[in-house]
Amino acid sequence: AQKVTQAQTEISVVEKEDVTLDCVYETRDTTYYLFWYKQPPSGELVFLIRRNSFDEQNEISGRYSWNFQKSTSSFNFTITASQVVDSAVYFCALSEADQGAQKLVFGQGTRLTINP
Amino acid sequence: DGGITQSPKYLFRKEGQNVTLSCEQNLNHDAMYWYRQDPGQGLRLIYYSQIVNDFQKGDIAEGYSVSREKKESFPLTVTSAQKNPTAFYLCASSIGSGPDTSGPRDTQYFGPGTRLTVL
Repeated sequence: AQKVTQAQTEISVVEKEDVTLDCVYETRDTTYYLFWYKQPPSGELVFLIRRNSFDEQNEISGRYSWNFQKSTSSFNFTITASQVVDSAVYFCALSEADQGAQKLVFGQGTRLTINP
Repeated sequence: DGGITQSPKYLFRKEGQNVTLSCEQNLNHDAMYWYRQDPGQGLRLIYYSQIVNDFQKGDIAEGYSVSREKKESFPLTVTSAQKNPTAFYLCASSIGSGPDTSGPRDTQYFGPGTRLTVL
C-alpha cells in the first residue's frame, strides 16, 4: 500500500533561518506524482508543487526548493530565509491510481512555526 | 473568480441528526473529492467522484453519503451512523482523468473547509 511519512511533527525556527521538511514515501507504482501543500491557520490547503516520478530535477521557486531522490524515496522541501508568513502545517502527498482516478495519500503533516 | 466554495464554515449539530455539507466549484472540473481531517492528522479520503452521477467510496466512507447530480456540486451528508463526526471537512476538485486508466493524474485544489462540531 502507498504510504507517506513526515517524521517531523513540529519544527520551530527563528525568522531568516533555512528549514527543511522531510518526506519519505512508499509505492509499488512506477509512475506516480508527489505533491506538497501548505495549510495556513485559515484551514484551506494551498497547492505548492507537483512532481512526477520521471523528473528528478530539483525545483526552485523563490525561497522554496524541492529535492526529489528516487533512490531514497524522498521528496524534501526547503524554505530559505524563512519568514513569519511561512508558519503553517505542510503536507506531503503521493498520488495513487485507482481505476483511472487519482487518489492522494497524505502524510501526517509538519507544523512549522517561524518566530520573529 | 474561479474556485471552490464550501458552506457553512462552521456547523454545529446535535447527536443523532444528519447534516449536509455543501461543496461547489466553477472550475469546470470533472473530479471532486471529500476529505476528513482530525486534529494533528493528515487528510483521509471519504468519497470521490470522477463524473456526474458516479462516485466511489474512499478509505473512511462509513457513516457518510454523497450525490453528484451536477458537475459543479458534490454535497456530503454526515449521517447519524457516523460515530465520531466532529472534524474538519475539506472538499477538493481536479480536472479529472475520466474512466480511462491511461488518463493524466491531476492536481487537486481545495476549498476553505467546513468545521463540524457535534454537541
